[in-house]
Amino acid sequence: GAGVSQSPSNKVTEKGKDVELRCDPISGHTALYWYRQSLGQGLEFLIYFQGNSAPDKSGLPSDRFSAERTGGSVSTLTIQRTQQEDSAVYLCASSLEDREQFFGPGTRLTVL
Amino acid sequence: RKEVEQDPGPFNVPEGATVAFNCTYSNSASQSFFWYRQDCRKEPKLLMSVYSSGNEDGRFTAQLNRASQYISLLIRDSKLSDSATYLCVANRSGRRALTFGSGTRLQVQP
Repeated sequence: GAGVSQSPSNKVTEKGKDVELRCDPISGHTALYWYRQSLGQGLEFLIYFQGNSAPDKSGLPSDRFSAERTGGSVSTLTIQRTQQEDSAVYLCASSLEDREQFFGPGTRLTVL
Repeated sequence: RKEVEQDPGPFNVPEGATVAFNCTYSNSASQSFFWYRQDCRKEPKLLMSVYSSGNEDGRFTAQLNRASQYISLLIRDSKLSDSATYLCVANRSGRRALTFGSGTRLQVQP
């Protein structure tokens, strides 16, 4: 069956521009997560959705970062006024309730 | 100090060797533990969960020592296809967020 998909796979943007990253979770998965992986850093948790609500946003690094989920399915992560330190691979994962998290292939974001 | 710490390696071992990775965690509220595998430029995939009694899956054995806050992964009879980065992961009770170590790189050589 289809896994988690993310788009775009690569995004190059200029400092100060806004970007939107999209995640399509596995069909039927109620929980959705965003993480990011920077060079030399481990994966860092950003935000978790249960249905359309986000009970845990504790990993969002600043108010430039926001995310939403609609219809209990697709999610978008928005980064406003991008900075060079935002360059990373942004990974989305989904799970059925609190079971195994399945990761998507990620979006590689480069901020010039 | 990172919440989950691992030796980054790389561990370079010949085919057929046995190799062990260790990991320590600092948050005593951590309840569940996992090993994930990540191939170069790919997404992480669950390798195995880690149980208090220790558990085995084929050539892979995971151990947890809650008193020492220490987790290990043993790989027997290494294959070339085992070459990857192994991520130690902890999950705090009541939270869904996974906390990842930075990973240990394994290179199995012919």
